[in-house]
Amino acid sequence: GAGVSQSPRYKVAKRGQDVALRCDPISGHVSLFWYQQALGQGPEFLTYFQNEAQLDKSGLPSDRFFAERPEGSVSTLKIQRTQQEDSAVYLCASSLGTGGRTDTQYFGPGTRLTVL
Amino acid sequence: AQRVTQPEKLLSVFKGAPVELKCNYSYSGSPELFWYVQYSRQRLQLLLRHISRESIKGFTADLNKGETSFHLKKPFAQEEDSAMYYCALPNNNAGNMLTFGGGTRLMVKP
Repeated sequence: GAGVSQSPRYKVAKRGQDVALRCDPISGHVSLFWYQQALGQGPEFLTYFQNEAQLDKSGLPSDRFFAERPEGSVSTLKIQRTQQEDSAVYLCASSLGTGGRTDTQYFGPGTRLTVL
Repeated sequence: AQRVTQPEKLLSVFKGAPVELKCNYSYSGSPELFWYVQYSRQRLQLLLRHISRESIKGFTADLNKGETSFHLKKPFAQEEDSAMYYCALPNNNAGNMLTFGGGTRLMVKP
C-alpha cells in the first residue's frame, strides 16, 4: 500500500515568507510525528499528534512554527516568517497505534526547505 | 534527558570485512532501542529493534546496559550495505517520539 507522502518535496523560500508543508500519513494510522533534520545531523522531534489532538509540541523551536491535523489524517506544518536557520529537511512519520513501545514509525520522503 | 551518541560520522570498510557501528545512549529506565537506515535516494526505514532480537540483512545489535551501548554489527559487509545508519531511542512520553543519534555513514568499498 501507499506509504507516508509529503509535499512539496522541495521548497525554496525567501527569508520572511510563510511556508506550509503537508504530510499524508498511512491510512488508519493514529499517531503522527514531525521531525526536523538539519544538514549532517540526525532527525530531531518537533511535535506529535494522536488523531487530531496535538499531544506534544515541545520540540517546536519557536512560535513561528505551527502544526495541525484537524481531521486526524493529513497534517500541515506551517512556518511563519522563515529564517535561514529554518533550512532543513522536514520529516513526517506515522504509526498505527498510540505510541506503544513496539509501534513502528514509518517515515515520509521529507520536504527539503531552503530559505534564502 | 535522554541522549543518543554515534561517535563516528563516517565508517569506511572493504567488502567482506566486519562492520561495527557504535551507538551509546543515556536513559533513565529500561530502554528500547532501534536502528534506522537510509539508503541513497530512499526514505528512512526501520532496520531492527532491540526487543525483537532479530537479524536483518545479516545485521545484529545487542543491548549492553552496563556500557549503555547498542552497537550494530555485521560479520561480512556488502556493497549494498552502504547507507546512513541512525540509532534511535523512543521516549515514553510523546507517543514514543524518537531521539536519534547524529548518524554514521557506512561506505563499503569493492
